Amino acid sequence: QVQLVESGGGVVQPGGSLRLSCVASGFDFSGHNMQWVRQAPGKGLEWVTFISYHGRDKNYADSLKGRFTISRDNSKNTLYLQMDSLRPEDTALYYCLKDSDWSYNGWGQGTMVTVSS
Amino acid sequence: QSALTQPPSASGSPGQSLTISCTGTSSDIGAYSHVSWYRQHPGEAPKLLIYEINKRPSGVPARFSGSKSGNTASLTVSGLQAEDEADYYCNSFAGNNIWVFGGGTTVTVL
Repeated sequence: QVQLVESGGGVVQPGGSLRLSCVASGFDFSGHNMQWVRQAPGKGLEWVTFISYHGRDKNYADSLKGRFTISRDNSKNTLYLQMDSLRPEDTALYYCLKDSDWSYNGWGQGTMVTVSS
Repeated sequence: QSALTQPPSASGSPGQSLTISCTGTSSDIGAYSHVSWYRQHPGEAPKLLIYEINKRPSGVPARFSGSKSGNTASLTVSGLQAEDEADYYCNSFAGNNIWVFGGGTTVTVL
């Protein structure tokens, strides 16, 4: 079955950087679009970014453009999220998701990012 | 990219039906059939309940149903059960490889 294992979260100071990874298994990773969604503590879900199956098409939530970069390595079945110029409001649990029928069926446990001095 | 609008809370008694609305614009819900719904219990990851407005994934009971009219989508939970006490989120494609979530609705089973 679909398995998505996120890693790379941690505590970082404001202005710092982190790179999240997501290793996928149980499906044809190279044939699926992928996304990141986040959830701040006690808050709702927020869409972050999209990447097409071949990696050529990407888009981001307006509030994140210029600071976050999504990428993928289909040879390693791995999705990445490079996060720069981090702010306290980026503190959240980050989920990597497989785009399936324009929805997300099968969520991992996410990786927690805390931006604090 | 404005969030979809959901009521912050809703409640119902066991066995009753409950409907949660999700209002967007003509650029997201009104323009596409790509609306999905998720249920999230405290401390757990969300779970897909409905996709493409009214389709249920394998394993999701038939008491969950979805619909859309204009710029508003709705999720109906029939035969409310204690396990349905959770947060519910709607999601819609908004064109140009952008998606948007609703703010979430906390459902209480009385």
